[in-house]
Amino acid sequence: DSGVTQTPKHLITATGQRVTLRCSPRSGDLSVYWYQQSLDQGLQFLIQYYNGEERAKGNILERFSAQQFPDLHSELNLSSLELGDSALYFCASSATSGPLAEQYFGPGTRLTVT
Amino acid sequence: GENVEQHPSTLSVQEGDSAVIKCTYSDSASNYFPWYKQELGKRPQLIIDIRSNVGEKKDQRIAVTLNKTAKHFSLHITETQPEDSAVYFCAATGNMLTFGGGTRLMVKP
Repeated sequence: DSGVTQTPKHLITATGQRVTLRCSPRSGDLSVYWYQQSLDQGLQFLIQYYNGEERAKGNILERFSAQQFPDLHSELNLSSLELGDSALYFCASSATSGPLAEQYFGPGTRLTVT
Repeated sequence: GENVEQHPSTLSVQEGDSAVIKCTYSDSASNYFPWYKQELGKRPQLIIDIRSNVGEKKDQRIAVTLNKTAKHFSLHITETQPEDSAVYFCAATGNMLTFGGGTRLMVKP
């Protein structure tokens, strides 16, 4: 167990809908990262927050947004969902924001868009 | 940005043999290279990492080597066991962590 928690574990929704994925980092970690893993594909970095502020942005669609709250948990909002958004969404956390920070992954949320 | 290439995409070995997975990266400023193991449907788990000031690092049956001049790094697993079967991802970080495409390792008993 990495200490990173994600809810829900599974989510099934229809095209056009909006969902929110939640992540709680390890105790003491200030950075949260979001990744998307489609079937048989690698991990695509979406976005990073550090202590409430956006720190880095990857291949995140405009339909997706995220935020980190004062208690350091983070939410990833996915809207106008399409079939292609079906994937595993992982959150990771690290103690610092720098490039040498070890990242620890949560168990993921499996999103299925029908 | 950073681009990480990983080979092979699949690797099948006999139990007890060694397995080697290779990665190349493009950003010469990258200085942290972790390796993750992901079992089916589970989270990626950090198994070993290496920083740019080190050429080799070993942890029991797992070792990682780094050649900064050639911009490549490798994962070596010796005495493979069936429980080593998983997908392995290399990654490199300059500004952000960029993952390779993954290697599906199958260890046949």
